[in-house]
Amino acid sequence: DAGITQSPRHKVTETGTPVTLRCHQTENHRYMYWYRQDPGHGLRLIHYSYGVKDTDKGEVSDGYSVSRSKTEDFLLTLESATSSQTSVYFCAISTSTNEKLFFGSGTQLSVL
Amino acid sequence: KQEVTQIPAALSVPEGENLVLNCSFTDSAIYNLQWFRQDPGKGLTSLLLIQSSQREQTSGRLNASLDKSSGRSTLYIAASQPGDSATYLCAVIWGDMLTFGGGTRLMVKP
Repeated sequence: DAGITQSPRHKVTETGTPVTLRCHQTENHRYMYWYRQDPGHGLRLIHYSYGVKDTDKGEVSDGYSVSRSKTEDFLLTLESATSSQTSVYFCAISTSTNEKLFFGSGTQLSVL
Repeated sequence: KQEVTQIPAALSVPEGENLVLNCSFTDSAIYNLQWFRQDPGKGLTSLLLIQSSQREQTSGRLNASLDKSSGRSTLYIAASQPGDSATYLCAVIWGDMLTFGGGTRLMVKP
């Protein structure tokens, strides 16, 4: 998967608990993205990063925060998980906005 | 706001058939369009990328075309095989973001 590792692959948590998902890349790509995929909604952008410490909101950013302290790592945090955040989360990387996007294998998150 | 639509949502064809998947978008000011494949329980794999200045791209049995003025793209799959069974998604770069269509679920029957 183009040197992209998402962890954990699966997580079950309770409502109200904090959750952090990690995306690690070995490709030195500048851009990193977090998407969620839900039946009936397709893939939606949560947050993205265009460099170390440079991040911006996507379409569905409420309830999520991100951090990028190193080129290779992009963290997605749910400060207080809700059942509506049950989803499959995908990380993606690209060298620029005009180049191919490469996806990780995804994290299945269940909030009970 | 950019909206991307894919029709049909699902398609079942016999092996060997040539087929066309459709993608339409509402704002023609795109930088590029990408076609992806997703297998069940897996991430997305990029198949083809068409820059806004291009009309088509080819890779093996796949050919993707782009008509920006009409807001349409098609993915042509020649001589389909059971291994082509997957969900195919198109996405457009608009501003800094990639907006996805809902996908077409393809089943190729032996």
